[in-house]
Amino acid sequence: RKEVEQDPGPFNVPEGATVAFNCTYSNSASQSFFWYRQDCRKEPKLLMSVYSSGNEDGRFTAQLNRASQYISLLIRDSKLSDSATYLCVVGNNDMRFGAGTRLTVKP
Amino acid sequence: GAVVSQHPSWVICKSGTSVKIECRSLDFQATTMFWYRQFPKQSLMLMATSNEGSKATYEQGVEKDKFLINHASLTLSTLTVTSAHPEDSSFYICSASLREGGDDEQYFGPGTRLTVT
Repeated sequence: RKEVEQDPGPFNVPEGATVAFNCTYSNSASQSFFWYRQDCRKEPKLLMSVYSSGNEDGRFTAQLNRASQYISLLIRDSKLSDSATYLCVVGNNDMRFGAGTRLTVKP
Repeated sequence: GAVVSQHPSWVICKSGTSVKIECRSLDFQATTMFWYRQFPKQSLMLMATSNEGSKATYEQGVEKDKFLINHASLTLSTLTVTSAHPEDSSFYICSASLREGGDDEQYFGPGTRLTVT
């Protein structure tokens, strides 16, 4: 079993849609959780950290479920510019990346 | 935010030659730096973790004699691909963390695209 698993997609959604990604992790001792965004042929950029209490940043909401060992990312009111690959990252003295979920938002 | 640079951004070399890639943290001291490679349409694969002044820790399956990593200072780490072959062609990205161990936000360099002919 991979340490961090994501549905690779692709997710093709219309503008304005709400889309959610999940990511599961195998190491129950993991302490840090992040969502990164990566545009084609570019380096990943931090989108948001994921806290135990959940957190929201504008149209983006991230949640952590320790009992079931998964984190989620919800994007509301999708924009064309949200098209990218979203990487789930789990840390416990190092960082493990998921394979990424590709999102395409269409007009 | 913290800035990490990489040099060169793009390099083409002939098979059998060695290529050195530099990763610098420009406005902070990076206790830990990481090297990743990424093949087209695939996620980042961690190659090694390096802490300043000590030997790098390589991931399973990564040849340490082929991918030489030096982390001589808190702001500079280098990756040397020795005797490069076409299968080494990839996108190499470094990242830096403020906290030792690296389970904190990582700041990524812009990446180096290596093509071996």
